[in-house]
Amino acid sequence: SQTIHQWPATLVQPVGSPLSLECTVEGTSNPNLYWYRQAAGRGLQLLFYSVGIGQISSEVPQNLSASRPQDRQFILSSKKLLLSDSGFYLCAWSRSFASPLHFGNGTRLTVT
Amino acid sequence: EDKVVQSPLSLVVHEGDTVTLNCSYEVTNFRSLLWYKQEKKAPTFLFMLTSSGIEKKSGRLSSILDKKELFSILNITATQTGDSAIYLCAFYFGNEKLTFGTGTRLTIIP
Repeated sequence: SQTIHQWPATLVQPVGSPLSLECTVEGTSNPNLYWYRQAAGRGLQLLFYSVGIGQISSEVPQNLSASRPQDRQFILSSKKLLLSDSGFYLCAWSRSFASPLHFGNGTRLTVT
Repeated sequence: EDKVVQSPLSLVVHEGDTVTLNCSYEVTNFRSLLWYKQEKKAPTFLFMLTSSGIEKKSGRLSSILDKKELFSILNITATQTGDSAIYLCAFYFGNEKLTFGTGTRLTIIP
């Protein structure tokens, strides 16, 4: 069966510090991978998605970036965090487009 | 512009009640509608609906899509405290990205 791992579960970082969140998927090959952010009381906002190694599509212009160095690894990064980057970050995978997404347990990021 | 509206925003009911959650949409190139349940962390997949008028059912939960009137409902019968969660609807449009509504927060009182 497929599993998705996301870490860390919680993170408190000062403004201006770098960020690296990692997500890995097991039990499947060539998944579509996604990063979403959920702000308090709001829906999920798609940040990035990837259909293959090195292929990243960005949905929202901001100071975040994503990379996919391996088939089942997806990384969300920032060089300098802003207060507005606080939120709940969710990684997800799907077998293909138009199929259900399956989410990791998320990282709650607080920028202070 | 594509739009997804969930109602109500929040709902409080007693255990054993039946609830109906709504999701309406105005989108181009509709492909499918999905329902998710989010408790404390990861949203978990409930249903995917692509055809109008066909009910999907899983235990006490059921959902149906009306493509003519552009809405879907999620029904939960004989609610339990474990049903307390945020329920999210989401759409695949022609651009292949899953877009979420803001959710309905359901609270079940024992």
